Amino acid sequence: DVKVTQSSRYLVKRTGEKVFLECVQDMDHENMFWYRQDPGLGLRLIYFSYDVKMKEKGDIPEGYSVSREKKERFSLILESASTNQTSMYLCASSSGLAAQRNNEQFFGPGTRLTVL
Amino acid sequence: ILNVEQSPQSLHVQEGDSTNFTCSFPSSNFYALHWYRWETAKSPEALFVMTLNGDEKKKGRISATLNTKEGYSYLYIKGSQPEDSATYLCVSNTDKLIFGTGTRLQVFP
Repeated sequence: DVKVTQSSRYLVKRTGEKVFLECVQDMDHENMFWYRQDPGLGLRLIYFSYDVKMKEKGDIPEGYSVSREKKERFSLILESASTNQTSMYLCASSSGLAAQRNNEQFFGPGTRLTVL
Repeated sequence: ILNVEQSPQSLHVQEGDSTNFTCSFPSSNFYALHWYRWETAKSPEALFVMTLNGDEKKKGRISATLNTKEGYSYLYIKGSQPEDSATYLCVSNTDKLIFGTGTRLQVFP
């Protein structure tokens, strides 16, 4: 059974803290993605990676960075958490070339982050 | 249309009712349309990927149609069951992925 796992389901942090959200996939997928979901909005892409050590900005990268040191792991980093980063964060992975955009994305269960 | 719009936002039906939702998406530079099913506390799961105008896909009691010229897709659920309760997400694939906000379906026994 294919799996995308995220390190935490729920996380509470304080303003200014550095936050790491970890995502691991066991499908040997080339592409990995970080999204956030907020009420009334569709999922919005923060960053994606199509290979180890490669990263591309998505639609809303401000306040975030990412790390992909190994193929199976993609980390989202909030350098200094702020209250407007309270959200549901979803990780996803997909196979093939980035240009093969009809490839199914496999999602993790999400991390609900609250920044106080 | 620049966004993906789904309607209705939420739907409450009785067990056994059939229901359908709409997804409107940008018709220019169309590449593919995805439907996902997202149950509470679980990961979104892919239902269908459709690429061709006129495509119809079916999985059990759930089916979907695609009109790429006018930019819409319908998802149908025949004889809804409580286990169908979930948010149904539509995702348009043009030069980027655009997610709809979903239709939240609640099926009461």
